[in-house]
Amino acid sequence: EAGVAQSPRYKIIEKRQSVAFWCNPISGHATLYWYQQILGQGPKLLIQFQNNGVVDDSQLPKDRFSAERLKGVDSTLKIQPAKLEDSAVYLCASSWGGTGGNTIYFGEGSWLTVV
Amino acid sequence: GDSVTQMEGPVTLSEEAFLTINCTYTATGYPSLFWYVQYPGEGLQLLLKATKADDKGSNKGFEATYRKETTSFHLEKGSVQVSDSAVYFCALLNSNYQLIWGAGTKLIIKP
Repeated sequence: EAGVAQSPRYKIIEKRQSVAFWCNPISGHATLYWYQQILGQGPKLLIQFQNNGVVDDSQLPKDRFSAERLKGVDSTLKIQPAKLEDSAVYLCASSWGGTGGNTIYFGEGSWLTVV
Repeated sequence: GDSVTQMEGPVTLSEEAFLTINCTYTATGYPSLFWYVQYPGEGLQLLLKATKADDKGSNKGFEATYRKETTSFHLEKGSVQVSDSAVYFCALLNSNYQLIWGAGTKLIIKP
């Protein structure tokens, strides 16, 4: 079974530029998550989707971050404009969701450096 | 609210030593519990899980038992190897299907 796919793996941008990350979850997984992990810290949930609807985006900095999950499959996370403090790993994760299963699987992450 | 507390690191051990990383939780009800591992430069990998009281999760020589009476899910391994060096995260799944994370414990194994 293929895992959670993310791209790009690495990205270096200048502050005030924009960047987009893409995620393809495990086939059939209804729930998709985006996390931000700053070096040396635990993951922070940015947004949670159930199919193509947003369940929780309370910690998403909406002035600069946006995310969408069209057609309830793959998802894109965008940052515009980027700040130095956005340097982090952006992790996508997925699960069956609800009574279908509760294990959450992670991708390899997209490593962002803002200079 | 729900929370997870795990022992602070770094934990430094010699190869073949016994490992314990403590994890306790506070939650309403009986959430599923997880250990994830993060190797340098990589994403999070599920190491093991337990979904109900007295369940034992195991994988790659690691074990953890869901203890309802002590609200704990300690990670153990009988003989660690250099390749086990990583950051280990304890987590619970809350009623919103979101992971609540511990702070992570960095494990360093010396040959």
